[in-house]
Amino acid sequence: DTAVSQTPKYLVTQMGNDKSIKCEQNLGHDTMYWYKQDSKKFLKIMFSYNNKELIINETVPNRFSPKSPDKAHLNLHINSLELGDSAVYFCASSQAGLAGTGSYEQYFGPGTRLTVT
Amino acid sequence: SQKIEQNSEALNIQEGKTATLTCNYTNYSPAYLQWYRQDPGRGPVFLLLIRENEKEKRKERLKVTFDTTLKQSLFHITASQPADSATYLCALGRTGRRALTFGSGTRLQVQP
Repeated sequence: DTAVSQTPKYLVTQMGNDKSIKCEQNLGHDTMYWYKQDSKKFLKIMFSYNNKELIINETVPNRFSPKSPDKAHLNLHINSLELGDSAVYFCASSQAGLAGTGSYEQYFGPGTRLTVT
Repeated sequence: SQKIEQNSEALNIQEGKTATLTCNYTNYSPAYLQWYRQDPGRGPVFLLLIRENEKEKRKERLKVTFDTTLKQSLFHITASQPADSATYLCALGRTGRRALTFGSGTRLQVQP
C-alpha cells in the first residue's frame, strides 16, 4: 500500500548511457513532481505535471525528459548521462487545491540514487 | 536571487529538551511555509504547514512560527526524544505555484 513508489532504488551506470526512472502514486493526486537532491542535500524542483500536463519545467538540460502516461505515473528519462547527473532523484505528488488556496503538501517517494561513473 | 538558509551544522541536544531549528529566507515572498522530516536514505515526510497570515501552528510536540517581517520561521520540538533525530527541511511556496523551494536542512541529533 505504498503511497509513492519509485523504481529502481539504485542505478549505477556509465557516462553516455540512457536510463529511465519510474514513479507511481496511488493517492489519487493530480499533480506529480521530480526533484533532484544533490550532495549538499538541496532538493531542487525539476518538473511538475498536473493531470498529465507539464506545468513546471525548471532550468534542466533537455537530456532530461519527463513523461506522464496518466495522472498516477510520472517517469523520467535521461539521455547521455554525465557525471554531474549523479544525485538522488525524488518523485512526489500532491493534491491541487482550489486556485489560490492550495498548499501543495507533498508526498515523496523513497528516492532513486543515481551514480554515473 | 532567492535564498533559504537553515543551520548547516548539526544541532545536538539532550533528550527531554526543546529543539529549535531556524529557517531564514531572502528575496522571497512565500504564501506558506512547510516543514519536512527526512531520515537517511528516505524521502522527506511532511510535518506542518503555516500560512503567511498565521503566526503559530502546533501539532502534538511540534510548533512552528512564521514571521514575515523578519523573514524567518522557527520550528520547535518539545520534550525531544532520540527518535526525533533526523534532518529537518523547511520549504517555501507561493500561491498558484505547486512546487516548493527547499532549504538544505538541519540535522538534529537527540542524545539519550
